[in-house]
Amino acid sequence: QVQLVESGGGVVQPGRSLRLSCAAAGFTFRSYGMHWVRQAPGKGLEWVAVIWYDGSYKYYEDSVKGRFTISRDNSKNTLFLQMNSLRAEDTAVYYCARDSVASGPHYGMDVWGQGTTVTVSS
Amino acid sequence: DIQMTQSPSSVSASVGDRVTITCRASQGISSWLAWYQQKPGKAPKLLIYAASSLHSGAPSRFSGSGSGTDFTLTISSLQPEDFATYYCQQANSFLLTFGGGTKVEIK
Repeated sequence: QVQLVESGGGVVQPGRSLRLSCAAAGFTFRSYGMHWVRQAPGKGLEWVAVIWYDGSYKYYEDSVKGRFTISRDNSKNTLFLQMNSLRAEDTAVYYCARDSVASGPHYGMDVWGQGTTVTVSS
Repeated sequence: DIQMTQSPSSVSASVGDRVTITCRASQGISSWLAWYQQKPGKAPKLLIYAASSLHSGAPSRFSGSGSGTDFTLTISSLQPEDFATYYCQQANSFLLTFGGGTKVEIK
């Protein structure tokens, strides 16, 4: 069935790096834009980044620009989030999510992973 | 960036009640708005896209309306499984933003 499975979360010290992965199955991964969305403990949803279906365009939320990099490997049906210079405020559950239509991000995100937890603490 | 403001932040209601949640954008976003439902410890679920289109599998008691800057999510008759937090999200700009959320609680 259609599913997304995140991995790579954990506890990391401030200033260090972490790489998240999101494995896709059950749909034509290379046809869809993909997002990372995070949720700090007890807080609301915060969009982090998007990558176009072919990797040609990438956009980032201001607080992660220059520190996080979104990428994808369409041959392996996998989405990535490279997180550098991590801060305490990056502590959150990180979800990957799919555009609901292949034409772009205008129609919401219809498939979500279960989330992976990132804790930034010394 | 486009800011999204939801109100109320929480609402207490009973099964069978009609519940309305509003979302206001800091600038016009046409009809590029989505609504999500999230239950504790779970990923969000898409309910409404393009302001008023019901996502496949979402119950018909959910409806959305609005355009420009002001939007509404309505639950026509609240069911026990609807107690959750609801988020709006603008999709006009490629820099997406979510509203702060509205928690629907049992009265």
